[in-house]
Amino acid sequence: AQSVSQHNHHVILSEAASLELGCNYSYGGTVNLFWYVQYPGQHLQLLLKYFSGDPLVKGIKGFEAEFIKSKFSFNLRKPSVQWSDTAEYFCAAFGNNRLAFGKGNQVVVIP
Amino acid sequence: GAVVSQHPSWVICKSGTSVKIECRSLDFQATTMFWYRQFPKQSLMLMATSNEGSKATYEQGVEKDKFLINHASLTLSTLTVTSAHPEDSSFYICSIPGGSSYNSPLHFGNGTRLTVT
Repeated sequence: AQSVSQHNHHVILSEAASLELGCNYSYGGTVNLFWYVQYPGQHLQLLLKYFSGDPLVKGIKGFEAEFIKSKFSFNLRKPSVQWSDTAEYFCAAFGNNRLAFGKGNQVVVIP
Repeated sequence: GAVVSQHPSWVICKSGTSVKIECRSLDFQATTMFWYRQFPKQSLMLMATSNEGSKATYEQGVEKDKFLINHASLTLSTLTVTSAHPEDSSFYICSIPGGSSYNSPLHFGNGTRLTVT
């Protein structure tokens, strides 16, 4: 079955630091990839998605993610985080008609 | 603005009682809605796919008689946790696809925190 792995559940970093969250998926066929974000007290919302084309995807709020097919990865990055980026981030992969979520990364940015 | 409205946001009930959670699509008609469950530090697990006008499709291991799903209209799906027990305490989230295909990005409700005492 499709599965998604996210490592380092808790990430704490200072403002202006760079952030990279790893995401690996298991499905070997055509896959659509998503990053969702949940800010404190809010609902999950889409951050960015990859369906096809340029493997480097730009999302909202300065986030980007790179699809590396050979590594089954879709890592999320932001060069310089802000306090407002404190949130939980979920990677999701859609493949073989199934959508699977990772366990999430709790990111805390210290001012 | 919000696309999906989920109610209530939290509920505490006694063991043996039933709890109904509503999920409303605010912006468009949703023939399909998804119900997820999330335990602390765990990923969202799909419980069932709610289909308007027909029976819900449950994932393996999810008791359909315990988690009753009704999708009577294109804007409303309900999840009823029947005869709730403490182990049913969890965070329940509904979502609707943002497009016509299953791989469309999802719009999520705010979730319902259920605590069964």
